[in-house]
Amino acid sequence: AQKVTQAQTEISVVEKEDVTLDCVYETRDTTYYLFWYKQPPSGELVFLIRRNSFDEQNEISGRYSWNFQKSTSSFNFTITASQVVDSAVYFCAPGYSSASKIIFGSGTRLSIRP
Amino acid sequence: IAGITQAPTSQILAAGRRMTLRCTQDMRHNAMYWYRQDLGLGLRLIHYSNTAGTTGKGEVPDGYSVSRANTDDFPLTLASAVPSQTSVYFCASSDSAKQGGGYTFGSGTRLTVV
Repeated sequence: AQKVTQAQTEISVVEKEDVTLDCVYETRDTTYYLFWYKQPPSGELVFLIRRNSFDEQNEISGRYSWNFQKSTSSFNFTITASQVVDSAVYFCAPGYSSASKIIFGSGTRLSIRP
Repeated sequence: IAGITQAPTSQILAAGRRMTLRCTQDMRHNAMYWYRQDLGLGLRLIHYSNTAGTTGKGEVPDGYSVSRANTDDFPLTLASAVPSQTSVYFCASSDSAKQGGGYTFGSGTRLTVV
């Protein structure tokens, strides 16, 4: 079965702290894609990153970084020096070639306190 | 139109009534999807369409139907609404021919069934 787990339901940190959001997925597919989406309080879904299962190189984009570990089926997301504007629900979403659709985790609600 | 347009933005509906949620995209994406979002459950796939003229069932299809007469439109119909269908509904599209292409989401329809 294809499944994704975001074990952290809610996280609250003080501004400027670093925070890591965990994501663990299950699949038998050899080719798949991993996505992170952000849903701010306004409700829209914002694409953050896509990662191919063949590419295990970690990626950094400004304060955001992603750690893909194929051996542990994890795709964790770290925000460095968090800001209040980072407060949102974050969804990890694997996309499986066999299913041709994306499966969303239940999300992690991140609150950044000033 | 730029991206995906969903209508209405919100709706209060009496139980037992029929309702169609509209979704139109102008990106010529071949694949389209309907998700519902409920607190604590993330986004769950209702129905999808890989190309015009074809549809498929997602994780929670009961009580919903879809059609895909052309590339741009993918309406979702509730034949006889029930209170458990109270949710936020998101339409999405992707270019599935582009391996690993992410989804573009509409802004959502908030539906309350009373």
